[in-house]
Amino acid sequence: EAGVTQFPSHSVIEKGQTVTLRCDPISGHDNLYWYRRVMGKEIKFLLHFVKESKQDESGMPNNRFLAERTGGTYSTLKVQPAELEDSGVYFCASSQAGGAYEQYFGPGTRLTVT
Amino acid sequence: AQKVTQAQTEISVVEKEDVTLDCVYETRDTTYYLFWYKQPPSGELVFLIRRNSFDEQNEISGRYSWNFQKSTSSFNFTITASQVVDSAVYFCALRGSARQLTFGSGTQLTVLP
Repeated sequence: EAGVTQFPSHSVIEKGQTVTLRCDPISGHDNLYWYRRVMGKEIKFLLHFVKESKQDESGMPNNRFLAERTGGTYSTLKVQPAELEDSGVYFCASSQAGGAYEQYFGPGTRLTVT
Repeated sequence: AQKVTQAQTEISVVEKEDVTLDCVYETRDTTYYLFWYKQPPSGELVFLIRRNSFDEQNEISGRYSWNFQKSTSSFNFTITASQVVDSAVYFCALRGSARQLTFGSGTQLTVLP
């Protein structure tokens, strides 16, 4: 069974540009989460999808971040326009339907904004 | 609010030594779940274990063991007879009534040959 995949693995963009990160969850997982770790800080929650619906987006830092999960399969996270403080590693995770299941993480996308 | 504290930023041991990684948590939820994840140099987060708040039994899996104590709000992780391949960053995480995980800051474990 394929794990959670993320694309790209690395992205270097200039301040003010737009970047779109993609996450493909484990097949059949209804829950999809985005997290990020900025330099030297903890891994922080961004938002949670259940199928195609946003269940919780309390961790989204501001309106420059837009997440979508059309059709309840893969998800995208767009940053527009990117700022220097957006640099970090963005992780995606997925879990089965229900509440108690562990989250399986992808390898992350390292975003560098210069 | 939930909080996870991993006070040990870095630990270095020599191969075959035992090592314990500490994790202390805070939550007001009566039902919650605790997790440990391993992040090897390749960068992905690898799930190791989940423990429910109503199950305080310790668990052993090969060289890994976990000690959950509600009385001290701790969920410590011990690696017995450490190996170089155990070198990684280890994260403790908490999930309460909300679905998202709250992570500790991680402990960098280096096992020297």
